[in-house]
Amino acid sequence: GDSVTQMEGPVTLSEEAFLTINCTYTATGYPSLFWYVQYPGEGLQLLLKATKADDKGSNKGFEATYRKETTSFHLEKGSVQVSDSAVYFCALANRDDKIIFGKGTRLHILP
Amino acid sequence: EADIYQTPRYLVIGTGKKITLECSQTMGHDKMYWYQQDPGMELHLIHYSYGVNSTEKGDLSSESTVSRIRTEHFPLTLESARPSHTSQYLCASSVLGGTVMAYEQYFGPGTRLTVT
Repeated sequence: GDSVTQMEGPVTLSEEAFLTINCTYTATGYPSLFWYVQYPGEGLQLLLKATKADDKGSNKGFEATYRKETTSFHLEKGSVQVSDSAVYFCALANRDDKIIFGKGTRLHILP
Repeated sequence: EADIYQTPRYLVIGTGKKITLECSQTMGHDKMYWYQQDPGMELHLIHYSYGVNSTEKGDLSSESTVSRIRTEHFPLTLESARPSHTSQYLCASSVLGGTVMAYEQYFGPGTRLTVT
């Protein structure tokens, strides 16, 4: 069945460092791919999405490119801030419109 | 800004009590979901609904039940709470399928349940 694998955390970085959180997927067909973010004490919110190969999703300085050849959707940000500390979930959605989430990666940014 | 609400935000209750977790959304979404989030953060789908009078079990077996009498309301009930039910419960909603918009789920803030 379809699945999402993302790097285990926690990931700890200093402010202004470069961030990469790896995400790979297994799916039949052509899924849509997402990154959701969960700030402390809150529910998840959509961060960015890509619906077809080579699409780049971007929001709040974060970017991810849909790479069909490597079945990946890695999340990147050039300069992280303390306010980016949160849990990040990679996810895919396929034809039956259920979302499959990865296990989440906790990010800590140190001032 | 998503308009999906969950009450209570925190609940501590004794074993054997009946509880209902409330979830309401004002976006007119047809699909609604309940997830259980374990301490390791992983999300498990326990129930979902396509609309009024529709309820389905999710991927993770749960002793809870749900109902969908009104579009905006999707409560979750535990008839007899146990310590194993201690968890974070997240409610979400989305438009019905057919477009990529159906895959964007809007989440409530969650209810953290502790059963003693």
